[in-house]
Amino acid sequence: KAGVTQTPRYLIKTRGQQVTLSCSPISGHRSVSWYQQTPGQGLQFLFEYFSETQRNKGNFPGRFSGRQFSNSRSEMNVSTLELGDSALYLCASSLVGRGPDTQYFGPGTRLTVL
Amino acid sequence: DQQVKQNSPSLSVQEGRISILNCDYTNSMFDYFLWYKKYPAEGPTFLISISSIKDKNEDGRFTVFLNKSAKHLSLHIVPSQPGDSAVYFCAANFLSGGGADGLTFGKGTHLIIQP
Repeated sequence: KAGVTQTPRYLIKTRGQQVTLSCSPISGHRSVSWYQQTPGQGLQFLFEYFSETQRNKGNFPGRFSGRQFSNSRSEMNVSTLELGDSALYLCASSLVGRGPDTQYFGPGTRLTVL
Repeated sequence: DQQVKQNSPSLSVQEGRISILNCDYTNSMFDYFLWYKKYPAEGPTFLISISSIKDKNEDGRFTVFLNKSAKHLSLHIVPSQPGDSAVYFCAANFLSGGGADGLTFGKGTHLIIQP
């Protein structure tokens, strides 16, 4: 079974630009969550999507948004990039995203904002 | 306010010995805990989990212990192998769902297995 895939793996942008990251979950998984990893803050939850609906959201500004398609693939978008948005963005998928449902992570997209 | 804490940023253990990684949490509503292992340039890999109805869960060389009264869990790796060198994250969640905010992670412990 193929794992979670994320594209692109690496991205360099400049301040003020916007970026879209993509995540394909494990086949059959309907929940997709996004996390930001930085050296100072560790892994922080951004949002979770299930059946094309955002079900939960972490404590991030409105510049961070996402969506999920009918095939469960998800994208996240960051607008008006800031230097502090430089991070590893991780996507995780799980069957239903509730209860004892293990989340499986993709390799991440390394975003560098110059 | 950090709800899941891993107070040791790094830990060095000799190959063949036991590695013990610790994790503390403050939110008593957490009732499901997971450990992930992460190599550089890769996403975290799920290792083992435990729900609050248990105090121990074992899977091969990995055992997780949960002490609810102390709000403490630990991951034991026996025996430690060179391939175990990685960053280990403790994470917590809610079994009951509804209003869950995704996994809450600790900041990780870098485990180094010395030959």
